[in-house]
Amino acid sequence: AQTVTQSQPEMSVQEAETVTLSCTYDTSESDYYLFWYKQPPSRQMILVIRQEAYKQQNATENRFSVNFQKAAKSFSLKISDSQLGDAAMYFCAYRSWGNNDMRFGAGTRLTVKP
Amino acid sequence: DGGITQSPKYLFRKEGQNVTLSCEQNLNHDAMYWYRQDPGQGLRLIYYSQIVNDFQKGDIAEGYSVSREKKESFPLTVTSAQKNPTAFYLCASSGYDRNLNEKLFFGSGTQLSVL
Repeated sequence: AQTVTQSQPEMSVQEAETVTLSCTYDTSESDYYLFWYKQPPSRQMILVIRQEAYKQQNATENRFSVNFQKAAKSFSLKISDSQLGDAAMYFCAYRSWGNNDMRFGAGTRLTVKP
Repeated sequence: DGGITQSPKYLFRKEGQNVTLSCEQNLNHDAMYWYRQDPGQGLRLIYYSQIVNDFQKGDIAEGYSVSREKKESFPLTVTSAQKNPTAFYLCASSGYDRNLNEKLFFGSGTQLSVL
């Protein structure tokens, strides 16, 4: 099975600044999906952004953008103009193209300092 | 409104007891999942089902069982063989959002504790 690695258990950022969360994955597949999910203290999972592996253009959603490096199997999340509401656990996830097997990383806890 | 409903929100299990966590969806999704989350950790896949009457083991299936007799329902049973069941359990289904992007839709979770 594919594995997803988030090497930063905790990160912190000053309000209004930019932070980048790292994610790497291991796969032999050429087509797949990648996701970043946010889990606030309520524990509800919220999709932040998604990327199809066949797309070369990096996905962007408002203040959130990714740096997708397919050859390096890297999928980092950049949060610009950080807000207090961005404080949460962030999970990177991988899903195979051909089936519905979806795997998550261990997560990064993001703290936003006022 | 369509969505995923997990019940109960909190569940307590006695030693040697089997307990069943409910997950229902009215999103007409084929694929459904069960994940386990331990404090401060990520989501680990227990089982997933791509279609009715079909399911596959994830990374930590031992001590758990599932059924998928109906498209809408994917209950998870935590058996007495699971020696450390205390965790937060999340159910999800896979489908398309309003922008036709595929994603997981999550329930609000069940916190299981051992008495």
